[in-house]
Amino acid sequence: AQKITQTQPGMFVQEKEAVTLDCTYDTSDPSYGLFWYKQPSSGEMIFLIYQGSYDQQNATEGRYSLNFQKARKSANLVISASQLGDSAMYFCAMRGLGIYNQGGKLIFGQGTELSVKP
Amino acid sequence: DGGITQSPKYLFRKEGQNVTLSCEQNLNHDAMYWYRQDPGQGLRLIYYSQIVNDFQKGDIAEGYSVSREKKESFPLTVTSAQKNPTAFYLCASQTGNNEQFFGPGTRLTVL
Repeated sequence: AQKITQTQPGMFVQEKEAVTLDCTYDTSDPSYGLFWYKQPSSGEMIFLIYQGSYDQQNATEGRYSLNFQKARKSANLVISASQLGDSAMYFCAMRGLGIYNQGGKLIFGQGTELSVKP
Repeated sequence: DGGITQSPKYLFRKEGQNVTLSCEQNLNHDAMYWYRQDPGQGLRLIYYSQIVNDFQKGDIAEGYSVSREKKESFPLTVTSAQKNPTAFYLCASQTGNNEQFFGPGTRLTVL
């Protein structure tokens, strides 16, 4: 069975500093994708970044980067130069790929609430 | 603009009533999904559909029903059999192997 674990219920970071949000996963699928989503207080889920299990390099999207350590089964999100607008819930998610896709079903972690201090 | 719309944004239901949540997408995506989110929790899959006229149960399908008569539409009915329906409901769609696009959500409250 697939499982995502986010061990930090809440995090604080000073504006303009970098912050790392932890995510560990468990799966028996040989091919999978890892996702990070941001959920502001309004509720919508905003896609941030994607990492495939066979990707050689860590994914980056602007101020977001994914620190993928396959042997440790971790996929931490790093946000550089935090901004006040980064305050939100952040969810790590996983899905099998190809024949392991299971219809595209995403498995989500519990989330981490990030608060950026001015 | 392309995207996913959900209506209504807020919905109140009396116990014993069925209610239907709307989800429409104009992204031409084949696959659509319904998730439920409880306070302080991640999302859990209710139902999904990979193609018109076909859908599959997710992890928490009991008390819910769906239909997929058109590619653009994937309505979710919360039936009276759902014991604890108060939650935030999110619809998503996807093409290819990667990103799922989410709608703005419907917050359902049972009075």
